[in-house]
Amino acid sequence: GIQVEQSPPDLILQEGANSTLRCNFSDSVNNLQWFHQNPWGQLINLFYIPSGTKQNGRLSATTVATERYSLLYISSSQTTDSGVYFCAVELMDSNYQLIWGAGTKLIIKP
Amino acid sequence: KAGVTQTPRYLIKTRGQQVTLSCSPISGHRSVSWYQQTPGQGLQFLFEYFSETQRNKGNFPGRFSGRQFSNSRSEMNVSTLELGDSALYLCASTGDNYGYTFGSGTRLTVV
Repeated sequence: GIQVEQSPPDLILQEGANSTLRCNFSDSVNNLQWFHQNPWGQLINLFYIPSGTKQNGRLSATTVATERYSLLYISSSQTTDSGVYFCAVELMDSNYQLIWGAGTKLIIKP
Repeated sequence: KAGVTQTPRYLIKTRGQQVTLSCSPISGHRSVSWYQQTPGQGLQFLFEYFSETQRNKGNFPGRFSGRQFSNSRSEMNVSTLELGDSALYLCASTGDNYGYTFGSGTRLTVV
């Protein structure tokens, strides 16, 4: 089956730093989303980005579907950015399920 | 616009009991899917419903079941609870833009 790999698994940064999180996937996908899971377990949808580039404030994401990877950029990190960032994909044959990476745990120190 | 509502937020059950979790999707969304999150296995797909029909099911035992009502609200049921069923259960609704929006989850503890 499809493999979704995220890197790095853990990242510790000082407030104000920039970071890049990566998601590699092993097959063509119909849908790719980035989520932030806060300490209470809530999964917050950051980007729906099967291809191209999107920006939302200090966050931006790029998916290069032909090379099967996606990047999430966080600029000027704040302590509230801490949490786990997940990449999830839906296959081209659209079997109505998301397949998840293991996540990147981000800790922003004040 | 109201988000995805899951109830209850927390549950403590004893081994062997059964439990029912509820999910109300975003108004107008007809697809509801369920995921289990555990520290060891991460996020795993349980099942997906669209217009009261189950379109896909993950690799879980038959103790896990679900249904969807005509108003798109969904329930999942776990019978004969085991300690390993302790997890965060997350529900998502999907609209025409295919993006998934998740509820706050139900944290189930089996003792």
